[in-house]
Amino acid sequence: ETGVTQSPTHLIKTRGQQVTLRCSSQSGHNTVSWYQQALGQGPQFIFQYYREEENGRGNFPPRFSGLQFPNYSSELNVNALELDDSALYLCASSSAGGYGYTFGSGTRLTVV
Amino acid sequence: KQEVTQIPAALSVPEGENLVLNCSFTDSAIYNLQWFRQDPGKGLTSLLLIQSSQREQTSGRLNASLDKSSGRSTLYIAASQPGDSATYLCAVLTSGSARQLTFGSGTQLTVLP
Repeated sequence: ETGVTQSPTHLIKTRGQQVTLRCSSQSGHNTVSWYQQALGQGPQFIFQYYREEENGRGNFPPRFSGLQFPNYSSELNVNALELDDSALYLCASSSAGGYGYTFGSGTRLTVV
Repeated sequence: KQEVTQIPAALSVPEGENLVLNCSFTDSAIYNLQWFRQDPGKGLTSLLLIQSSQREQTSGRLNASLDKSSGRSTLYIAASQPGDSATYLCAVLTSGSARQLTFGSGTQLTVLP
């Protein structure tokens, strides 16, 4: 059974650029959620995907968008990067009931 | 809006000591509560999951309790070891726009040899 895989592990972008982060869900899981974790804080819910559609969003602007593919993998896209977008981005997968979550190792994004 | 608070924010103990980490949440309408461990710069490792109908869960030296009516959970670590040094995060699963985890800010634990 494979776990949740995220790529890349680290990324440096310039303010105003766009970035795409990728996540492969754990085998048997069909729901993917994305979280943003600023330094010294707990993760904050960005959005969740189920059956290739967004079915919930936290308090994040529309420049944060995502996709889920038929194999349940997912992408997080962030447009017009701001310095405050610098954070660890975590992907988590779960089954449809969403009761237990498995997290990936995260992508560390630095915006300069 | 669900809010999760963890106390203390940081804790330093000598090796071998038993310790308790605290978590409180404001809305008792939760599906479950999960404790995670996070090493510096890394992802989250699930330690224990307690369903809303359960009172506690145990795994090795770890024991987590849940009192849903009072909005509290504790994580008890027995006979602490330097390898236990990490940040411990508490999260509750609630139904907002979707079933989502709401996290506390964590307790940073240091176990001194």
